[in-house]
Amino acid sequence: GAGVSQTPSNKVTEKGKYVELRCDPISGHTALYWYRQSLGQGPEFLIYFQGTGAADDSGLPNDRFFAVRPEGSVSTLKIQRTERGDSAVYLCASSLLSGGTQYFGPGTRLLVL
Amino acid sequence: AQSVSQHNHHVILSEAASLELGCNYSYGGTVNLFWYVQYPGQHLQLLLKYFSGDPLVKGIKGFEAEFIKSKFSFNLRKPSVQWSDTAEYFCAVNPYSGAGSYQLTFGKGTKLSVIP
Repeated sequence: GAGVSQTPSNKVTEKGKYVELRCDPISGHTALYWYRQSLGQGPEFLIYFQGTGAADDSGLPNDRFFAVRPEGSVSTLKIQRTERGDSAVYLCASSLLSGGTQYFGPGTRLLVL
Repeated sequence: AQSVSQHNHHVILSEAASLELGCNYSYGGTVNLFWYVQYPGQHLQLLLKYFSGDPLVKGIKGFEAEFIKSKFSFNLRKPSVQWSDTAEYFCAVNPYSGAGSYQLTFGKGTKLSVIP
């Protein structure tokens, strides 16, 4: 079956702009996770959804970052007033149930100029 | 907060050599443990996982890992590597919590280069 998909695959923006990154989880997966991977580092947790609600947003670096999952399926990560330090690969993962194996998407590579 | 250490940044091996990649974590309670692999140009894929039971876990493509609780370690092994094993390997930990988050904490990764 189809895996986790993320769009766009690449995004180039200017400092100060607003961006939205989209994640389509595996069909039927109730849990969805966002991670950020900087060059030379492992993925770092941002936020986790169980259904429509954010069960843990402790990894969001500041209030410029926000994520939604209004219908319990697709999720959008929103970044306001982007900064050069936001440049990274943003990864989405989903699992059938909370605590289950997380399956990762290909990521969105964000470059802030 | 928990952390994960992967001892080797880059490992270079010849085909048929044996592989062991180290992973240590800092968390005193029950943990779920994972190894993920990222082949060139591809996304992260699960290699193997440990939740409970036999501490020696077998995964795909001949990989195995051993959980040693007393050493807080979950080292990855393969007796004979192939050129196609060239990839980056990530160890990840999720502290078990009945009512908590299920976020994964990753190590920085180990790049494996296998020379034909």
